Amino acid sequence: AQTVTQSQPEMSVQEAETVTLSCTYDTSESDYYLFWYKQPPSRQMILVIRQEAYKQQNATENRFSVNFQKAAKSFSLKISDSQLGDAAMYFCARFSSGSARQLTFGSGTQLTVLP
Amino acid sequence: SAVISQKPSRDICQRGTSLTIQCQVDSQVTMMFWYRQQPGQSLTLIATANQGSEATYESGFVIDKFPISRPNLTFSTLTVSNMSPEDSSIYLCSVWRNYEQYFGPGTRLTVT
Repeated sequence: AQTVTQSQPEMSVQEAETVTLSCTYDTSESDYYLFWYKQPPSRQMILVIRQEAYKQQNATENRFSVNFQKAAKSFSLKISDSQLGDAAMYFCARFSSGSARQLTFGSGTQLTVLP
Repeated sequence: SAVISQKPSRDICQRGTSLTIQCQVDSQVTMMFWYRQQPGQSLTLIATANQGSEATYESGFVIDKFPISRPNLTFSTLTVSNMSPEDSSIYLCSVWRNYEQYFGPGTRLTVT
């Protein structure tokens, strides 16, 4: 099975500081997409950032950026200037664009932001 | 983006009964997905529903337990049949559009 692994079940960060969430994945495909989703207590899945595998440049969305290492199959999320509203469960996910088009999720990282 | 609504938002059901969850998308999409999120867990894909064809189920999920309908390109239903307490989960509808995957607000199901 092609898996997505998040090795940090829980992380905490001081408000205004920077935190990095780790994610590694397994795939035999060359064409795929990687995502980070945020799930607050409201349970709504919110897309944070997307990375296309064919792009070498790391994606950035305001305070959120990724470090995409394709050869190492690593896809970490950096949150800068952390805010209280960033507290949530974060899921890394991979979308396979081959014959089995589906999104596979990691187990999640619960992020706590300390005031 | 995509606007997705689900009904009901939550329900409490007795074991042995069935519940049908509805998913409505604001515009036409080819692929719709149904996920389950058990308490404290990640999301697991139940099935992929394409209009005009049978849904494709993932390992561990069967059509008799989770029948799915996809009558048109903006609507789908998931039925949880003969429920047991182990079916207590959040069920999420999802669509793929413009190289991004969007999710509905989820249906929180509790089986007593």
